[in-house]
Amino acid sequence: SYELTQPFSVSVALGQTARITCGGNNIESKNVHWYQQRPGQAPVLIMYRNANRPSGIPERFSGSNSGHTATLTISRAQAGDEADYFCQVWDYTTVLFGGGTKLTVL
Amino acid sequence: QVTLKESGPVLVKPTETLTLTCTVSGFSLNKPRMGVTWIRQPPGKALEWLAHIFANDDESYNTSLKTRLTISKDTSKSQVVLVMTNVDPVDTATYYCARINIMGTNYGMDVWGQGTSVTVSS
Repeated sequence: SYELTQPFSVSVALGQTARITCGGNNIESKNVHWYQQRPGQAPVLIMYRNANRPSGIPERFSGSNSGHTATLTISRAQAGDEADYFCQVWDYTTVLFGGGTKLTVL
Repeated sequence: QVTLKESGPVLVKPTETLTLTCTVSGFSLNKPRMGVTWIRQPPGKALEWLAHIFANDDESYNTSLKTRLTISKDTSKSQVVLVMTNVDPVDTATYYCARINIMGTNYGMDVWGQGTSVTVSS
């Protein structure tokens, strides 16, 4: 079965750029979605189909997908970006989530 | 405004059946190219997809839980119901429902409910 691999944690200095990866076999053939989950809150869709931001999501968030790795990039990181980030794909008719990455803004 | 709201018991005993209801507003469960999914998250752990159902009644289940889950929808009530049989303490989690938007976000889950916390304990 298909699997998604995310780093457990990523740290970034305030104002710098964070990159969160999501690994999967030939993941570039799939559409990757990303969700942000702040502590105590429900997840929020922040990137769909690899590199598309829903309305209301800042341009600081961007995405890419190539080879075996999809990447969520957060530019000019802010304290409010501290959260868990989950990637997600469809594998035929089923849904898979990555294990999640905790982003810490230092 | 599209909203989803989960409801169900807070506490369930082992071996009992858990019934969760997702009440939606702002869109119809018959709206083409839309669906509703259930996802859970044990405390401190990752998201786990459980099941989904689309407007055309196509449904799908997490393979590892398939024998215990049933999803259904009542369009007149704007509700999607998930039934989980024979619960166990490992089923303790926050349960979310979310909308699957096929056209708008290419199968992304664009609106989520606030979640409902379920504890399985005797």
